[in-house]
Amino acid sequence: SQQGEEDPQALSIQEGENATMNCSYKTSINNLQWYRQNSGRGLVHLILIRSNEREKHSGRLRVTLDTSKKSSSLLITASRAADTASYFCATDSGGSYIPTFGRGTSLIVHP
Amino acid sequence: NAGVMQNPRHLVRRRGQEARLRCSPMKGHSHVYWYRQLPEEGLKFMVYLQKENIIDESGMPKERFSAEFPKEGPSILRIQQVVRGDSAAYFCASSPAAGRANTEAFFGQGTRLTVV
Repeated sequence: SQQGEEDPQALSIQEGENATMNCSYKTSINNLQWYRQNSGRGLVHLILIRSNEREKHSGRLRVTLDTSKKSSSLLITASRAADTASYFCATDSGGSYIPTFGRGTSLIVHP
Repeated sequence: NAGVMQNPRHLVRRRGQEARLRCSPMKGHSHVYWYRQLPEEGLKFMVYLQKENIIDESGMPKERFSAEFPKEGPSILRIQQVVRGDSAAYFCASSPAAGRANTEAFFGQGTRLTVV
């Protein structure tokens, strides 16, 4: 079964706007990772946030983690057409440390 | 330092044939994960291996599927007697270790298997 579930399933915005995607999960986690996948390609690792961290930044990306709500958000600021892709969160929990993926959010950025 | 290398990128097999998918992890990585992705869906975990050991194969079908990660050479995902339902993209990821440390998993470009 899916551990992480992204919301919304699809998001369509204009270039320059911010895009926010959310990920909810069911059980306590060790780490949460965000990935990007362009159509027909492999996954690109964006950010890993550990369970004892609350926020991380990388360029135009900002990830937050709220373990009390079992949720994470990925914010892409000043979006570009090249950000068009599917975005996945992956969590690992317990002693397994195997990343488990949600179904993803499909982001379309219109130029 | 090359990334995770998967080959072939595309593989076409007739029903009943065998499919062999290869994955060379990043240099220095000893942990390999295999995932399957159907169109418009997320990645489903199949199997987690370390060198010469299968650590977790809970996501892999019991029949027709097998995986190995020998001491030398790439990890191999083998699908025997393929059926149309096996058509999917198969992704491999590698990490240097597993644990509470900062262990990102890096993915290859995938192998797209088509069974005709």
